[in-house]
Amino acid sequence: DTAVSQTPKYLVTQMGNDKSIKCEQNLGHDTMYWYKQDSKKFLKIMFSYNNKELIINETVPNRFSPKSPDKAHLNLHINSLELGDSAVYFCASYSSLGDEQYFGPGTRLTVT
Amino acid sequence: TQLLEQSPQFLSIQEGENLTVYCNSSSVFSSLQWYRQEPGEGPVLLVTVVTGGEVKKLKRLTFQFGDARKDSSLHITAAQPGDTGLYLCAGVEAGGTSYGKLTFGQGTILTVHP
Repeated sequence: DTAVSQTPKYLVTQMGNDKSIKCEQNLGHDTMYWYKQDSKKFLKIMFSYNNKELIINETVPNRFSPKSPDKAHLNLHINSLELGDSAVYFCASYSSLGDEQYFGPGTRLTVT
Repeated sequence: TQLLEQSPQFLSIQEGENLTVYCNSSSVFSSLQWYRQEPGEGPVLLVTVVTGGEVKKLKRLTFQFGDARKDSSLHITAAQPGDTGLYLCAGVEAGGTSYGKLTFGQGTILTVHP
């Protein structure tokens, strides 16, 4: 069973479109994250939710809107996509017991 | 905002050589983690160091946390082609929340040639 899954794996779209990425974890964790990894492999935190509540928002443009319908899901919706949004987006689930983040396989977003 | 400076950014070596990757900051971290990321996959945790001066070993990998908990190093002995990948250090803020917020270094892309 996959611990943290993301869909889709690849997403190619045009500027100005709206798209969503979904994330699900079956680990029973309370905290989930969204990260953006740029072309230089730098991994930067975007958002974090704990028990469906937003706890971290790292000055991300408001075109990005996370939503957590329940503890096991954290989705990312992006409006009016721009070229600079092209990156790999990772979802992660956090265990306070082991102080470890479990990452999903990533979604490679390409905006043309 | 806490920053982690990771170096070198790229490392290309021959099989059997030793290498060290460094992670430095002016900030104190409650713990520091090292992750490894393979192409097309997410980062996977290798180790967490918590105590200043702590040294942990994972087969041929040795991790050290600085005495002041501001820096860390990863040393690989007799590198193998299977060690090839992206290595990331990440710090958990001292005195921060318990939500495990991580600050990542820029990453080191390691290539070990047979």
